Amino acid sequence: DGGITQSPKYLFRKEGQNVTLSCEQNLNHDAMYWYRQDPGQGLRLIYYSQIVNDFQKGDIAEGYSVSREKKESFPLTVTSAQKNPTAFYLCASGSWTSNTGELFFGEGSRLTVL
Amino acid sequence: KNQVEQSPQSLIILEGKNCTLQCNYTVSPFSNLRWYKQDTGRGPVSLTIMTFSENTKSNGRYTATLDADTKQSSLHITASQLSDSASYICVVTPNSGYALNFGKGTSLLVTP
Repeated sequence: DGGITQSPKYLFRKEGQNVTLSCEQNLNHDAMYWYRQDPGQGLRLIYYSQIVNDFQKGDIAEGYSVSREKKESFPLTVTSAQKNPTAFYLCASGSWTSNTGELFFGEGSRLTVL
Repeated sequence: KNQVEQSPQSLIILEGKNCTLQCNYTVSPFSNLRWYKQDTGRGPVSLTIMTFSENTKSNGRYTATLDADTKQSSLHITASQLSDSASYICVVTPNSGYALNFGKGTSLLVTP
């Protein structure tokens, strides 16, 4: 089935550790996004990528890093520099070749820092 | 300043009743407007998408309307069910395509 897959769904981390969240899509979408969602707040953009080997910082990129070595994959690393990493992380992929385009979200990864 | 404002922030209705959620935006020019449903702990799922030239779009019991002149959209839910309890998010795509603008969502609770 076509779709976008995030893993792991739940992740616990000790302070000072880096963690990497996986995002894979088989929709042949060029654009991929990472968002952070906190209670009572809307989705905030961390990073996005429009094509392979290129990515741009979003509104809250500090303490995060990404790579886009393959079209299908856009992993997010939450580094120890991120002051408040406990959150729900959503990956999305999109295609803008039509007037409406497509935008699909993964099921999310919940990161808890102990 | 957020360019997409949703109201109300939260809403409680009885099962079987109708409700309307609002989305006001300032994004201009824009390409399309989408409504998503997000169940707790899950990723958002698309309900409707409308281009700037469309006025209404239905998906089962969900009907979205768009007034591009007043920059307002609404999502009407008919004959609500317990499974409609979720957060509903309005997303506006500018003509540039990539910089999506999200509302903070309306949290809907349908009670028996």
